[in-house]
Formats: sequence, C-alpha cells, structure tokens
Amino acid sequence: EIVLTQSPATLSLSPGERATLSCRASQSVSSYLAWYQQKPGQAPRLLIYDASNRATGIPARFSGSGSGTDFTLTISSLEPEDFAVYYCQQRSNRRITFGQGTRLEIK
Amino acid sequence: QLQLQESGPGLVKPSETLSLTCTVSGGSISSSSYYWGWIRQPPGKGLEWIGSIYYSGSTYYNPSLKSRVTISVDTSKNQFSLKLSSVTAADTAVYYCRTAAAGRPDLDYWGQGTLVTVSS
Repeated sequence: EIVLTQSPATLSLSPGERATLSCRASQSVSSYLAWYQQKPGQAPRLLIYDASNRATGIPARFSGSGSGTDFTLTISSLEPEDFAVYYCQQRSNRRITFGQGTRLEIK
Repeated sequence: QLQLQESGPGLVKPSETLSLTCTVSGGSISSSSYYWGWIRQPPGKGLEWIGSIYYSGSTYYNPSLKSRVTISVDTSKNQFSLKLSSVTAADTAVYYCRTAAAGRPDLDYWGQGTLVTVSS
C-alpha cells in the first residue's frame, strides 16, 4: 500500500500570504496525484489532478507541481475562503490512498 | 453532470452489516467510462478509501477492510451499493459515494455524504 505523508499538519497564515503544502509518497505514483479541499460539513472538492492540472472552475491562484514521490500544492495569495483542510490522493494500480490532511488556518 | 446521493440507515448495531446505496443521476451507471466507489471519514478525522468497482465488474478494496467489504452495481436501478460486515464503533463515519472517469481524472463527482453511527 502506498502511504502519503502530508506536511505540515497545520499551517497558520494570513490572507494575502503564500501557502505551500507538501505531500510525499512512500513509492513513486508517477503523476497520479490529486489535491482536494474540504470545508466543514462538505464533501471534498477536486482542485488539482495529475499533479499539476487545475480542475474546472478552480482559480489560478491554486497550482500543483511534482512527480514521482514529492508533490506540492501552492496557493499564491490566500483568500478568506481558502482556509480549509487539504488532502492529497494517489490512484496507482486502481488502488487509492489519501494523505492525512493539512489544516490551513487563519493566523 | 453526474449527481450522486447516498441512502441507508444512520444507525447500525455492533456486529451487524452496514448497507448503503448510492443513486446516480445525470448519466448511466453502465457507462464504461467511469468507476464507482466509496470513501469514509470518521468524525474529526481524515479520508479513507474503502473500495471501487469498474465497468468490467472488477473490484478493488482497501486491504485493511477487504475481508468485510462488498461493493456491487445494480444497473436496473442505476445504483451501486456498499456492504460492510461485522461493524464496530470504529466504523462510525460519514460515508461518501464517489465516481470518477477512468482516464479523465478531472471528471470527479462525490455525494454529499451520510453519517452512519455504530452503536447499540
């Protein structure tokens, strides 16, 4: 089973600042890595797929990078609505695992 | 655009079988373009993949749950279902049904989720 480790567990920033979230895989997942945003009481929402492609309707301030085992989600300038929990997810060999999540909170 | 809706009991007794159904609208569950699956989230915790079923009928399960899980499709009702046997309090969670297009990961749809509590 591929394990995804996200860091940091919690990130405290202010609106307008840049956020950098990390996801590391225990073995290569090629580019089969996605990022999700989840707000309280809601289902996760797809932000980035295949490591670096923005999903439909996702603002350009969200970007993803990486391949193999190391991936990054960057939010260039935080808006108030961006404070939420973020999960990475891999889909290798039709089996899926999620990272444990990074909570992005207002400083 | 596909829409998914979970349904089933909100309370299940320990040692019994949890059964949930996901009704699909806006498209056919018989489509070979999509796979169908379940994900859960214990209160205050992260996401856990339960398993997926493909058009071919092939199923893939989380190794930690494999011995207790069955996912199946009912094409006549445009639904797919989850059965989780021998439940304990640790199975208390919000259960989400989800579909995504094989080969098109940008086509990714989730139900709103349903809370299932395991308690006597």
